[in-house]
Amino acid sequence: EVQLVQSGAEVKKPGESLKISCKGSGYSFTSYWIGWVRQMPGKGLEWMGIIYPGDSDTRYSPSFQGQVTISADKSISTAYLQWSSLKASDTAMYYCVRRSGGGDWFDPWGQGTLVTVSS
Amino acid sequence: QSALTQPASVSGSPGQSITISCTGTSSDVGSYNLVSWYQQHPGKAPKLMIYEGSKRPSGVSNRFSGSKSGNTASLTISGLQAEDEADYYCCSYAGSSTFVFGTGTKVTVL
Repeated sequence: EVQLVQSGAEVKKPGESLKISCKGSGYSFTSYWIGWVRQMPGKGLEWMGIIYPGDSDTRYSPSFQGQVTISADKSISTAYLQWSSLKASDTAMYYCVRRSGGGDWFDPWGQGTLVTVSS
Repeated sequence: QSALTQPASVSGSPGQSITISCTGTSSDVGSYNLVSWYQQHPGKAPKLMIYEGSKRPSGVSNRFSGSKSGNTASLTISGLQAEDEADYYCCSYAGSSTFVFGTGTKVTVL
């Protein structure tokens, strides 16, 4: 079974750094793009960016370029989303998603990681 | 790269059909037949319902169908059921391995 399992919920203070993870299993991790999607409380889905673990090719939405860093460690089949200095406005649920091979849809989705930033 | 435009809400009675629109531009929806649709129930991760504009993944009811005309994609739910009450999002490929989601539509079954 293809699965994406994300790290647990985080509570951080403004200015702190954070790295959340997404571990893929049941498929060849290096052969599929992994993306990240933000959902702020009560709001819609926002596409943040995507990485191809095979060669670390990374693309960002203009809205998130420079705000976050997407990376991957193919040796442990894990993708990451990180912040160097969190803001209260980063409070959201973050989902990782697998881009279809040869297509352009997302399936499966991780279970989500809730990030809360509060002083 | 602006969000695709969807109606905030659509409602219908059980058994009826509803259609959700998703309007983009010639840089995304209009350029590619690569719109996907996702269903999200409260507190759950989104679920793929339609891909490549009109294809259904295994296990998704044939009551869900997709289409596209110009810069607008549409999701139709026929034979509306209580379990269809959820939020729905479209997503389009926008070139160079980038994507854009729609603003989301809340479907209410009356």
